Amino acid sequence: DGGITQSPKYLFRKEGQNVTLSCEQNLNHDAMYWYRQDPGQGLRLIYYSQIVNDFQKGDIAEGYSVSREKKESFPLTVTSAQKNPTAFYLCASSANGGRQGGTEAFFGQGTRLTVV
Amino acid sequence: KQEVTQIPAALSVPEGENLVLNCSFTDSAIYNLQWFRQDPGKGLTSLLLIQSSQREQTSGRLNASLDKSSGRSTLYIAASQPGDSATYLCAPLGGATNKLIFGTGTLLAVQP
Repeated sequence: DGGITQSPKYLFRKEGQNVTLSCEQNLNHDAMYWYRQDPGQGLRLIYYSQIVNDFQKGDIAEGYSVSREKKESFPLTVTSAQKNPTAFYLCASSANGGRQGGTEAFFGQGTRLTVV
Repeated sequence: KQEVTQIPAALSVPEGENLVLNCSFTDSAIYNLQWFRQDPGKGLTSLLLIQSSQREQTSGRLNASLDKSSGRSTLYIAASQPGDSATYLCAPLGGATNKLIFGTGTLLAVQP
């Protein structure tokens, strides 16, 4: 089936650890996004990438890092520098990002990260 | 910076009512606007995509309109059902920031 797969669904992190959230898509989309969602709040953009080997910071990039070595993959690392990482993380992709006539964005089912 | 506001923040209606959800955005230089639905603890499901050149888009009982010049979009849900209960989010794409930016959503509860 075509779509976006996020793994794992649930993730527990100890204080001071780095963890990596996986996002894979087989839709042949150029653009990929990472969002963070906290209870009662909207989605906030962490990082986005509109093409392989290129990515830009979103509104809350501090304490996070990404890579885009392959078109289908956009992993997010939550580093120990992120002071409040407990949240619901969502990955999305779209065919041509912000270019004119941009197409639908599709989302994965999310990863819930908890610091223990 | 694009800012998106959704009104109302929460809405509770009896089954069968027609309802309107509102979305406003500050940067009208957008390429399209997308409406999503989110069930508790789940990812987002795309409902409708309106290109900047369109004024309306329909899918089943859902109708979305876009007035780009005034920075407004509405989502109309006809004959609401309990299964429509969810959070509805709008997201304009593009503009000066060239990103997909979200509002805080409208939490809809349809009572049987």
